[in-house]
Amino acid sequence: AQTVTQSQPEMSVQEAETVTLSCTYDTSESDYYLFWYKQPPSRQMILVIRQEAYKQQNATENRFSVNFQKAAKSFSLKISDSQLGDAAMYFCAYNQGGSEKLVFGKGTKLTVNP
Amino acid sequence: SQTIHQWPATLVQPVGSPLSLECTVEGTSNPNLYWYRQAAGRGLQLLFYSVGIGQISSEVPQNLSASRPQDRQFILSSKKLLLSDSGFYLCAWRLWGSGSTDTQYFGPGTRLTVL
Repeated sequence: AQTVTQSQPEMSVQEAETVTLSCTYDTSESDYYLFWYKQPPSRQMILVIRQEAYKQQNATENRFSVNFQKAAKSFSLKISDSQLGDAAMYFCAYNQGGSEKLVFGKGTKLTVNP
Repeated sequence: SQTIHQWPATLVQPVGSPLSLECTVEGTSNPNLYWYRQAAGRGLQLLFYSVGIGQISSEVPQNLSASRPQDRQFILSSKKLLLSDSGFYLCAWRLWGSGSTDTQYFGPGTRLTVL
């Protein structure tokens, strides 16, 4: 079964600085998708960024980018120019192609200090 | 644009009482629908998903059941709640077929406390 591991239960960053959240996953499949979701205090899960495994180019969305290392099964999220509104739980998730199931990591709590 | 609604937002129920949580999606047709539960301090666990009206797949056998009476409506139910049913319940949807990005989009969630 696929697993997703987020080894940093908590991280903190100063406002305007850059932070990287780590995620590793375990799969024997070649067709899959990876996601980062943000869960602010309101607890609604918000999509941050998405990566298809067959694409070598790392996905970017404004201040958010990923470092996708397929051979190492690593999918880290970089947040540049951190803002107070970035404070939230961040979840890494894996979806095998053709499967309905999203497998989530346990999350990383990000604190942004003013 | 698509929107997803869940109600109620919060619910406090006694042990042994019934449960009905509702999820509706607007702005799309024939979505895949999902129910997840998030226990305190943990990630999300998929409970049920549906690829069409009346079609329900269960990922975790337990005290809960799901139904999809209409294309854009997904209901999570229980006949008798247990203390362990407490948690945060999230509904999600995904486009199916051509145009799908395999991305699931989540609703605002329902916080359920069983006393």
